[in-house]
Amino acid sequence: AQKITQTQPGMFVQEKEAVTLDCTYDTSDPSYGLFWYKQPSSGEMIFLIYQGSYDQQNATEGRYSLNFQKARKSANLVISASQLGDSAMYFCAMREPFYGGSQGNLIFGKGTKLSVKP
Amino acid sequence: DTEVTQTPKHLVMGMTNKKSLKCEQHMGHRAMYWYKQKAKKPPELMFVYSYEKLSINESVPSRFSPECPNSSLLNLHLHALQPEDSALYLCASSQDSIGAYEQYFGPGTRLTVT
Repeated sequence: AQKITQTQPGMFVQEKEAVTLDCTYDTSDPSYGLFWYKQPSSGEMIFLIYQGSYDQQNATEGRYSLNFQKARKSANLVISASQLGDSAMYFCAMREPFYGGSQGNLIFGKGTKLSVKP
Repeated sequence: DTEVTQTPKHLVMGMTNKKSLKCEQHMGHRAMYWYKQKAKKPPELMFVYSYEKLSINESVPSRFSPECPNSSLLNLHLHALQPEDSALYLCASSQDSIGAYEQYFGPGTRLTVT
């Protein structure tokens, strides 16, 4: 069965510094997708970045980059130049295999609460 | 435009009430989802609609009844809820339910059952 593990319940980072949020996953399927979402205290889940299992290069979106190490089954989120508005819960998620009749649903990790200090 | 809207933002209801949550997207997405999220927990999938047909019901109690009137709208009808049903209810949509498509979430409805 597929599984997502986020081992950091909470993290602190100084404003303007970079921070890495850890995510490891477990799946026996060769085809999968990995996602990171940000959830501020307001509740909305904001899509940040996506990495496909066959993508050769690490995904980047502005200040967000994904450190994808397939052999280690890790997909860590790197946020550069942290801002106060980055304070939120961050969820790593994996798309279930989307072949063989599966619906490709998201499996979420437990999340990491990031606090940015001024 | 990657907006999913949900109404109401907050809802307080008694255990004998009937209410509905609404979700709307205009991105042309063919898959829509309902999630339930308790405090400090990740979202849990409740229902998936694919091309306006219910494709997944994750063993949700019958007091929750989803409806997809058209490809842009998704409702969740609530009846005879329990206090433990109090949670944040999130709606999401994606281009399709099959494939590596990101899901876009709405702001959620915070439900309190008294």
